[in-house]
Amino acid sequence: AQKVTQAQTEISVVEKEDVTLDCVYETRDTTYYLFWYKQPPSGELVFLIRRNSFDEQNEISGRYSWNFQKSTSSFNFTITASQVVDSAVYFCALRISGGSYIPTFGRGTSLIVHP
Amino acid sequence: SAVISQKPSRDICQRGTSLTIQCQVDSQVTMMFWYRQQPGQSLTLIATANQGSEATYESGFVIDKFPISRPNLTFSTLTVSNMSPEDSSIYLCSVEELAGNTIYFGEGSWLTVV
Repeated sequence: AQKVTQAQTEISVVEKEDVTLDCVYETRDTTYYLFWYKQPPSGELVFLIRRNSFDEQNEISGRYSWNFQKSTSSFNFTITASQVVDSAVYFCALRISGGSYIPTFGRGTSLIVHP
Repeated sequence: SAVISQKPSRDICQRGTSLTIQCQVDSQVTMMFWYRQQPGQSLTLIATANQGSEATYESGFVIDKFPISRPNLTFSTLTVSNMSPEDSSIYLCSVEELAGNTIYFGEGSWLTVV
């Protein structure tokens, strides 16, 4: 069975601070996909990134960056120079390749960015 | 990426009534899922919508309470039947594109049962 742990329930920062959201996963499968989603107060889930298990390269997209480390089963998400618009709940998810195709979600981390 | 439209976006419903949520995708997709997200909680999968056959329900969810249809590759409906205040949640449609491996979500339908 798969498991995703987002230990940080809520993080509060002041604008322009850097912030890292942690995600630790468990799976026995060797082929899998990891995701991050953003859920602003409007409720929709916005896809941010997908990473497959064979690609450990870190990725940067503007102020967002992701650090994938198979050795520690972690897929952490960093926002540089946070902005108020980054305030949202962020979900990490894991899906194995094959099988039921059903993703496993973490409990989410609520990020509050104060002006 | 697939564009997913859900209707209604919000509704306030009377206890004991039923409401049908529609999910329309602008391209053919392989998998369609329905999730529930109760206030302050993570996502809980209700069922996988199967084209032309009965949906596959997760533990704790039954067809009588959450009937689902998927008549084709781009459309699905979820009905929340005989609603109670405990059904107040965001209901989210989710799809996996034919290209595979990435899952997208609709805007969600906020239901409040009074």
